[in-house]
Amino acid sequence: EIVLTQSPDFQSVTPKEKVTITCRASQSIGSSLHWYQQKPDQSPKLLIKYASQSISGVPSRFSGSGSGTDFTLTINSLEAEDAAAYYCHQSSSLPYTFGQGTKLEIK
Amino acid sequence: EVQLVESGGGLVQPGGSLRLSCSASGFTFSSYTMHWVRQAPGKGLEYVSGISSNGGSTYYADSVKGRFTISRDNSKNTLYLQMSSLRAEDTAVYHCVKGPFSSGWDNYFDYWGQGTLVTVSS
Repeated sequence: EIVLTQSPDFQSVTPKEKVTITCRASQSIGSSLHWYQQKPDQSPKLLIKYASQSISGVPSRFSGSGSGTDFTLTINSLEAEDAAAYYCHQSSSLPYTFGQGTKLEIK
Repeated sequence: EVQLVESGGGLVQPGGSLRLSCSASGFTFSSYTMHWVRQAPGKGLEYVSGISSNGGSTYYADSVKGRFTISRDNSKNTLYLQMSSLRAEDTAVYHCVKGPFSSGWDNYFDYWGQGTLVTVSS
């Protein structure tokens, strides 16, 4: 089973700040890495697919990069509405696995 | 608009059974893989099971293999999860999730239902 480790677990940030969340895989997964945002009491929402591909309707301040074992989700110019938990997910091999999540708090 | 609406959750005793349903609309249900992902209260996401568009291929996480059965009725646009021999650690919100393709397992999840809560407790 591929283990995904996110960092940090929690981050408190101010609006307009740039945020970087990392996801490290226990073995190479190519570009089969996806990012989701989950706001309180909501279901997860797809933000980025295949490491860096954008999703229609997702604000352009969200971007992804990486391949192999190291991946990054970047949020440029954070907005108050970005307060949420963020999860990475690998689909390179079954079982699919998720990172433990990163909770973003807006100061 | 894609909609996934789960039902069938509730309180069940350890060792009991439950069947979850997911009613899908807004897309051609029979053309896409479907999945179940669960989230224990206050915890992260865990993949449970998936099924190909025609139901011919399925996958189960080790934690539920032999106890859970995924199925689909494409004529009713409905996904199911039959759960048996339930344990306290199965307590979670169960999300019905749509994949972007008809087959293959290199899937991201493009739409999620709100989920249905399953509580296993005596």
